[in-house]
Amino acid sequence: GIQVEQSPPDLILQEGANSTLRCNFSDSVNNLQWFHQNPWGQLINLFYIPSGTKQNGRLSATTVATERYSLLYISSSQTTDSGVYFCAVRGYSTLTFGKGTMLLVSP
Amino acid sequence: DVKVTQSSRYLVKRTGEKVFLECVQDMDHENMFWYRQDPGLGLRLIYFSYDVKMKEKGDIPEGYSVSREKKERFSLILESASTNQTSMYLCASSSRDRAGYEQYFGPGTRLTVT
Repeated sequence: GIQVEQSPPDLILQEGANSTLRCNFSDSVNNLQWFHQNPWGQLINLFYIPSGTKQNGRLSATTVATERYSLLYISSSQTTDSGVYFCAVRGYSTLTFGKGTMLLVSP
Repeated sequence: DVKVTQSSRYLVKRTGEKVFLECVQDMDHENMFWYRQDPGLGLRLIYFSYDVKMKEKGDIPEGYSVSREKKERFSLILESASTNQTSMYLCASSSRDRAGYEQYFGPGTRLTVT
């Protein structure tokens, strides 16, 4: 099956800093999603982005499908951005998740 | 907005009990999924369903069964709960109409088996 690798595994930032999270995948994909898991365990949809670039407020994402990677950018981070960020990809059937990046934003 | 709800946020059961986890979605989605999430192992797919009364095994179906009698409801059943089934259980749904099948998740159920 498809392999999904996320980096870095952990990230600590001061409030106001910017960050880039990376997701590499091993095969062609039909779907790529970024999620944020909040401290209560809820997975929040951030982006559905099999290719191209999207922006939503302070967050943006870029997927370069031909090179098999996606990037999630967080600008001017806030303490509420803390949590785990997951990348998930779908080849021909079901979603495969990466192990996540745990982000801690300190005041 | 898509809404996926799960019957309990926290659940404590004894070893050997039969456990039912319920998931309901209100967006008329065809596809529904059950995952479990464990530290260090990430999210793993247990079972999924593409239609009423239809089910497919995911990566870790052993010890679980599912039921989908209505389109909006997908139940996960632990026939005889064991301590290694203590975990966070997440339900998701997606539409077959949307290319790529974007998935939406419920709030999760933290199950403890003692």
